[in-house]
Amino acid sequence: EADIYQTPRYLVIGTGKKITLECSQTMGHDKMYWYQQDPGMELHLIHYSYGVNSTEKGDLSSESTVSRIRTEHFPLTLESARPSHTSQYLCASSGKEIYTYNEQFFGPGTRLTVL
Amino acid sequence: RKEVEQDPGPFNVPEGATVAFNCTYSNSASQSFFWYRQDCRKEPKLLMSVYSSGNEDGRFTAQLNRASQYISLLIRDSKLSDSATYLCVVKYGGSQGNLIFGKGTKLSVKP
Repeated sequence: EADIYQTPRYLVIGTGKKITLECSQTMGHDKMYWYQQDPGMELHLIHYSYGVNSTEKGDLSSESTVSRIRTEHFPLTLESARPSHTSQYLCASSGKEIYTYNEQFFGPGTRLTVL
Repeated sequence: RKEVEQDPGPFNVPEGATVAFNCTYSNSASQSFFWYRQDCRKEPKLLMSVYSSGNEDGRFTAQLNRASQYISLLIRDSKLSDSATYLCVVKYGGSQGNLIFGKGTKLSVKP
């Protein structure tokens, strides 16, 4: 089993609130990712990081921001939540080893509902 | 055109059946190919990588046709536990490239 954790698992919040979705991994992976997935739809990459102090925007435009101060931690923040942010957010990581660098390990996800 | 397109599904098959999923990708520079499995309301997990020569893992066989930009997954002797959504995934940009996910094909195996 992958050692990657996300909290909270479920979040219902009102419009305008600031929220932070937490993601931690204990595998020592350098690369980490945030995806957004709506029901029945494909995963879209919204942010990724090559390592500490590295953050990049993904293919899908997002109003969220991320930080990478520690290798194991990659939180995602929404400064002002809106109903359009309602979705599932999945965190993932991948390692450097030749046999594992292609595999991404996913956390269980956070289901966000903004009222 | 989406970068990764899959059979629309859902596929409803009886136990023991053989089922095949197809996937096409648009970027000819794609370098690595995978099938991930995603159970209902769960996270995706790597099922298998897809190699140019084709590869097999138990009841699962994956094939790649670079000329046609086409990937397939064959499941033999379907089990109830195979019920899930199967995601076709491609990667380009070298070892630091990112993954592009298809929408997935839902498989439901019935007793």
